[in-house]
Amino acid sequence: GESVGLHLPTLSVQEGDNSIINCAYSNSASDYFIWYKQESGKGPQFIIDIRSNMDKRQGQRVTVLLNKTVKHLSLQIAATQPGDSAVYFCAEIVGGSYIPTFGRGTSLIVHP
Amino acid sequence: DADVTQTPRNRITKTGKRIMLECSQTKGHDRMYWYRQDPGLGLRLIYYSFDVKDINKGEISDGYSVSRQAQAKFSLSLESAIPNQTALYFCAISSAGGPDYEQYFGPGTRLTVT
Repeated sequence: GESVGLHLPTLSVQEGDNSIINCAYSNSASDYFIWYKQESGKGPQFIIDIRSNMDKRQGQRVTVLLNKTVKHLSLQIAATQPGDSAVYFCAEIVGGSYIPTFGRGTSLIVHP
Repeated sequence: DADVTQTPRNRITKTGKRIMLECSQTKGHDRMYWYRQDPGLGLRLIYYSFDVKDINKGEISDGYSVSRQAQAKFSLSLESAIPNQTALYFCAISSAGGPDYEQYFGPGTRLTVT
């Protein structure tokens, strides 16, 4: 479920389940989107990206879906593992600016 | 993380002190960024630099200054630290040109201002 205030939204899943993390972006001119994973005590790391001329992109165990009509991005993680526990951020970029705008992040907790 | 290093990794300082956070990179990328991360607020851009002679303010530059000493080095200074600058600070880099917008982040500096 989600928590409010200064706490991050949190998604708790069991190991082996599929996880879906959602992100609403703000700028209809954004044409490039990135998902980052941030493990405790580390900097964010690139997971997968998608351009606005696509609505789906798949990587290894991850899929990103883009719905430009409602300005929504999702990250699907298949067969979630304890090592997937982290905070996940989406970032939107207006092409040519090289300045991403980051979402607040979602904390994913995977229970063994 | 080894491509981008940050020093110090942790720092506790008193209100009013000047402090400098340093960032260096080995990927040869032109673009460097400083972000601040607060609990529940994601990453906010402080300053960025697209080459050695280019410095730009980000979303929350007040109270901060930067110096791009070389292509590989980008320092963030707090001239007179205040408690609400307590946060986690990240340096990031990205390549210029081409389709690659990916940023590579350093391991972060945890700063506490008492």
